[in-house]
Amino acid sequence: TQLLEQSPQFLSIQEGENLTVYCNSSSVFSSLQWYRQEPGEGPVLLVTVVTGGEVKKLKRLTFQFGDARKDSSLHITAAQPGDTGLYLCAGGSGYALNFGKGTSLLVTP
Amino acid sequence: GAGVSQSPSNKVTEKGKDVELRCDPISGHTALYWYRQRLGQGLEFLIYFQGNSAPDKSGLPSDRFSAERTGESVSTLTIQRTQQEDSAVYLCASRPHTGNYEQYFGPGTRLTVT
Repeated sequence: TQLLEQSPQFLSIQEGENLTVYCNSSSVFSSLQWYRQEPGEGPVLLVTVVTGGEVKKLKRLTFQFGDARKDSSLHITAAQPGDTGLYLCAGGSGYALNFGKGTSLLVTP
Repeated sequence: GAGVSQSPSNKVTEKGKDVELRCDPISGHTALYWYRQRLGQGLEFLIYFQGNSAPDKSGLPSDRFSAERTGESVSTLTIQRTQQEDSAVYLCASRPHTGNYEQYFGPGTRLTVT
């Protein structure tokens, strides 16, 4: 059972464009994390959100946790080629993390 | 400090052979996870170790899969009688005792069963 649905699955944009990716679930999570994974490497944690309605900004990246703690979004402003990668969301429940399938982002110069 | 390391980085094996994958967690991290990532897929939970507690093995796909960890040190994931469907990247992650359950991943072992 896939608890977390991410959309879109693939996204190809040009440098300078803005984008938003989504992570949705019917389950409530105690925390939600976003990771970025580059080819041949393991996922790297970008942010953790724990409070419903919470918004966190990390340079050009803005993360939001839904009020009901069931969904989240990641917005990137003025995307750069270095943002290319697989973006994974993971919902926390106790010690376990449930991962979505990810959004594969390609930013071309 | 050093991050999570895994070895080997790549492993090609023939169908039916056994393989052993190794994970060195970050020093002091009490929790350790193994995941499987098939091409184009998300992370599939396999097993979780926390200190000296009994591991959560609920994600292991069959009895051909097993894992060990002694205390808070190295872990090994063993796959017996490998099948082609076992081909995937196997990721290990460790986590400190405190915090919001953030996990720190190794680079993975890419297993190819021919």
